[in-house]
Amino acid sequence: IWMTQSPRSLSVTPGEPASISCRSSQGLLIYLDWYLQKPGQSPRLLIHSTSSRASGVPDRFSGSGSGTDFTLTISRVEPEDVGVYYCMQAKQTPFAFGPGTTVNI
Amino acid sequence: QVQLQESGPGLVKPSQTLSLTCSVSGGSIDINNYYWTWIRQPAGKGLEWIGRIYNGGETDYNPSLNSRASISVDASKKQFSLRLTSVTAADTAVYFCATCRIPGRTDVFDIWGQGTMVTVSS
Repeated sequence: IWMTQSPRSLSVTPGEPASISCRSSQGLLIYLDWYLQKPGQSPRLLIHSTSSRASGVPDRFSGSGSGTDFTLTISRVEPEDVGVYYCMQAKQTPFAFGPGTTVNI
Repeated sequence: QVQLQESGPGLVKPSQTLSLTCSVSGGSIDINNYYWTWIRQPAGKGLEWIGRIYNGGETDYNPSLNSRASISVDASKKQFSLRLTSVTAADTAVYFCATCRIPGRTDVFDIWGQGTMVTVSS
């Protein structure tokens, strides 16, 4: 299963919304997850199972989608949200990550 | 709170075998009852799922590695390991171990190690 993301780079204004699209080459049911990797850090799980926020993740992050098209939305971007966002399909092995979307302020 | 820590040589020569270990700590955990995963990231690039071990010894691998990867677990030491044979410069990357502690899922990585950099060079 191949994953694509758009845009690949996103410049955002604090307080404004932002969204990232993820598309898969096959239907994923609910098995689409989102990760954020800040510079020099390990990735952190944000959203699993399309729309479930991981523990401790602020509610400004939300996930949606179905089939092959999924979206991560940040309702109001905060300065600490900068980093690279990856979607990942977990429907079947080999699990695959999207190429990443770099978000900067 | 489960924590993961990768360890192993930071430099490996081409054609040799890369060996890394991930140590599991925190909480009373039966390592045989969880899924343990290796993921890597070349510098400045994206994430690649390498493979996983679960149920005490069952494994899945990424075919892109052409059968060069093998993952094992040592429950007595609370460790799991990655071996990657016949390495080339293309295997230079930060290697992460990860696991899932989310009820009902085995394939979501909510716990990660800090990562260890491995360079393949003579």
